[in-house]
Amino acid sequence: AQSVTQLGSHVSVSEGALVLLRCNYSSSVPPYLFWYVQYPNQGLQLLLKYTSAATLVKGINGFEAEFKKSETSFHLTKPSAHMSDAAEYFCAVSDAHKLVFGAGTILRVKS
Amino acid sequence: GAGVSQTPSNKVTEKGKYVELRCDPISGHTALYWYRQSLGQGPEFLIYFQGTGAADDSGLPNDRFFAVRPEGSVSTLKIQRTERGDSAVYLCASSPTGANTEAFFGQGTRLTVV
Repeated sequence: AQSVTQLGSHVSVSEGALVLLRCNYSSSVPPYLFWYVQYPNQGLQLLLKYTSAATLVKGINGFEAEFKKSETSFHLTKPSAHMSDAAEYFCAVSDAHKLVFGAGTILRVKS
Repeated sequence: GAGVSQTPSNKVTEKGKYVELRCDPISGHTALYWYRQSLGQGPEFLIYFQGTGAADDSGLPNDRFFAVRPEGSVSTLKIQRTERGDSAVYLCASSPTGANTEAFFGQGTRLTVV
């Protein structure tokens, strides 16, 4: 069965600093991978998705992620954090018709 | 509507009562999903509809949980004899086809069983 592991339940960065949120996956087939963001009291919003077309995937709000098969990773990055990036981020892998989510990483941005 | 709509946004019920949670998906989306998100955890799959039929209900925790989608659009998640452990945010999502495509999520229904 497909699964994902997010390393670090909380990450804190200063405004303007690099954001790096880690995700490792386990999949028996070439995976479809997703990053979602959840703001307080809101639903999940798709940031980006990997569907095997390109290993470097660019998403909304300046985020990008790189698929590395050799490391079974799909880490999310953003060069410069904004206060508005403070939220919870979920990595997910597609298991046929459904998504399997990680436990989430709460990103805190300090001014 | 433009997005997935879930009602109510909050529901408080007493232990043992019956509750219904409603999901109105994006128009034209054939696939509909229910997930449950407990505090501090990621969403967990409950059930998947393709059209009117439940194509995969393997995530339903027990027979107190049931969901329907009679006309292939609106879906209702039904929970009988609620327990305090059922307290969570119930998320609904829809997607155009269901196979490895983006799922669009509603804002969720926060269920609290007291």
